[in-house]
Amino acid sequence: TAGITQAPTSQILAAGRSMTLRCTQDMRHNAMYWYRQDLGLGLRLIHYSNTAGTTGKGEVPDGYSVSRANTDDFPLTLASAVPSQTSVYFCASKGLAGDTGELFFGEGSRLTVL
Amino acid sequence: GQNIDQPTEMTATEGAIVQINCTYQTSGFNGLFWYQQHAGEAPTFLSYNVLDGLEEKGRFSSFLSRSKGYSYLLLKELQMKDSASYLCAGWDSNYQLIWGAGTKLIIKP
Repeated sequence: TAGITQAPTSQILAAGRSMTLRCTQDMRHNAMYWYRQDLGLGLRLIHYSNTAGTTGKGEVPDGYSVSRANTDDFPLTLASAVPSQTSVYFCASKGLAGDTGELFFGEGSRLTVL
Repeated sequence: GQNIDQPTEMTATEGAIVQINCTYQTSGFNGLFWYQQHAGEAPTFLSYNVLDGLEEKGRFSSFLSRSKGYSYLLLKELQMKDSASYLCAGWDSNYQLIWGAGTKLIIKP
């Protein structure tokens, strides 16, 4: 079972360029999330989607956009990258009917903006 | 405000027991998680507590006191592979997860 797949695993990007981080899950989970993780800080929520066709802003949404055209895919786009967006990005999903609400994470995408 | 606090780093000896504490302040409470994250990897689920008390799962146990806004993760019979960061996270009233910064656990032989 693949679970959640993120791509690319690592990327170096010039400031001002755009970039889309891809996230695909095969668990038919309704809820999906994008987090960034920076040294010394907890996971911070960028955007989320409770179900296909809906999205919401998290704690740190500025400079990022998402779409949820179907259940499986939840891409994250940086329209014009800045160095402060250098981070490790994790996509996660959760089934609404789950008894614990456990999140399942992708392997992460390490982005460096120069 | 909403906040989850846990120690930045702890050191323990192989074979010993270690307790990692977590205190939380969230708007409402809908359960508390512990995740394990090895360096360079994704977080993986360890435990979930929504009621007061101790939940035991093999070498790992998690405790919750809702009245004190307090939880701990207890790791017994420590192994070198337990060297990782341990993340505490709680659901707030809007069912958004609030994460602590993580506790880096270093296991020494």
